[in-house]
Amino acid sequence: AQTVTQSQPEMSVQEAETVTLSCTYDTSENNYYLFWYKQPPSRQMILVIRQEAYKQQNATENRFSVNFQKAAKSFSLKISDSQLGDTAMYFCALTLPSGSARQLTFGSGTQLTVLP
Amino acid sequence: GAGVSQSPSNKVTEKGKDVELRCDPISGHTALYWYRQSLGQGLEFLIYFQGNSAPDKSGLPSDRFSAERTGGSVSTLTIQRTQQEDSAVYLCASSLGVGVSYEQYFGPGTRLTVT
Repeated sequence: AQTVTQSQPEMSVQEAETVTLSCTYDTSENNYYLFWYKQPPSRQMILVIRQEAYKQQNATENRFSVNFQKAAKSFSLKISDSQLGDTAMYFCALTLPSGSARQLTFGSGTQLTVLP
Repeated sequence: GAGVSQSPSNKVTEKGKDVELRCDPISGHTALYWYRQSLGQGLEFLIYFQGNSAPDKSGLPSDRFSAERTGGSVSTLTIQRTQQEDSAVYLCASSLGVGVSYEQYFGPGTRLTVT
């Protein structure tokens, strides 16, 4: 079974500053996909960024980037130039490309508040 | 194009009643998932549909929960004899399916409150 752990229930950052959200995971598989999802108060889960485990290069999407450390099973999210609209719950998630369901296994989430 | 839609947005029901929650996936997405988000349990996988294959029901918490997907598109999650512990946000997601993309696109969820 897969597990995903987010050890920071809440974080805050000043607008325009940089913040890093932590995530660790455990799986016995060698091939998997990792994701960060954002859930604002509207409840809509929005995909922020994805990383394929067989790719060594860290994924980047505009102000969002990850630090993927496969050996350490760590997958942190860095948000640069934080904006008020980044305030949301952030979930780290993992899925396996093999097997029947490919459901996402989620961490418990980190509530990020961007302060003006 | 249109995203995943869910209805109703909110549902309040009395303990013991049955409820149906609806999900309309993104057109062309063959895979459909249901998740439950509750304060105590976080986000949990419930059930998965892929094309015409038998659904993966491994996440359903009890036999009071069932789901159907008609015509490979719309899905309905049914909870019979609702209990207070069923109160949660029920999220639906769809994806292009096997071998194409593993990104799941979520709907806005249905908040179920059992009184």
